[in-house]
Amino acid sequence: KAGVTQTPRYLIKTRGQQVTLSCSPISGHRSVSWYQQTPGQGLQFLFEYFSETQRNKGNFPGRFSGRQFSNSRSEMNVSTLELGDSALYLCASSSVPGQGNTEAFFGQGTRLTVV
Amino acid sequence: AQSVTQPDIHITVSEGASLELRCNYSYGATPYLFWYVQSPGQGLQLLLKYFSGDTLVQGIKGFEAEFKRSQSSFNLRKPSVHWSDAAEYFCAVLSYSGGGADGLTFGKGTHLIIQP
Repeated sequence: KAGVTQTPRYLIKTRGQQVTLSCSPISGHRSVSWYQQTPGQGLQFLFEYFSETQRNKGNFPGRFSGRQFSNSRSEMNVSTLELGDSALYLCASSSVPGQGNTEAFFGQGTRLTVV
Repeated sequence: AQSVTQPDIHITVSEGASLELRCNYSYGATPYLFWYVQSPGQGLQLLLKYFSGDTLVQGIKGFEAEFKRSQSSFNLRKPSVHWSDAAEYFCAVLSYSGGGADGLTFGKGTHLIIQP
């Protein structure tokens, strides 16, 4: 069974640009969550999608957005990039939303560098 | 608001020695608690989780953790560490609000160094 796949693994962007990251969950999983990991703030919850609907969102500005497709693949977009957006972006999939009674499987992440 | 505190930023342990990583949480209701491990350049791997029932939970790779409600703690232990255990360890709590689960709240992590 393939794991969570995140693409690309590494990305370098310039301030002011926008970026789209992709996450393919484990087959059969319908919930996808996104997290941002930085040395200063640690791991922070961005948002969760289930059945193409955003269920909840963390405390991030509107520049951070996402969507989920009918095949459960998810994308997150960051517009008007700032230097502080440089981070490892992790995607997690689970079979049901909320992860409370299931195990969330994480991808290897996308390392975004904003210059 | 919920929070997770991992008091130790770095811990150095000799190979073969026992290990305990501390985790304290702040959450009003019964918490769902997790320990994850992250190796350099990798994503997070779940070591173990606590939802209810027995307060001592067993995980993968020989790890265990004990939930102590009175101390708001969920410490991770391993009786004998191996060099391959060197990694970053994260404690997390799953928080809920009126709209359902709000995602995992993580501690800042503990960097484990294994001395030969």
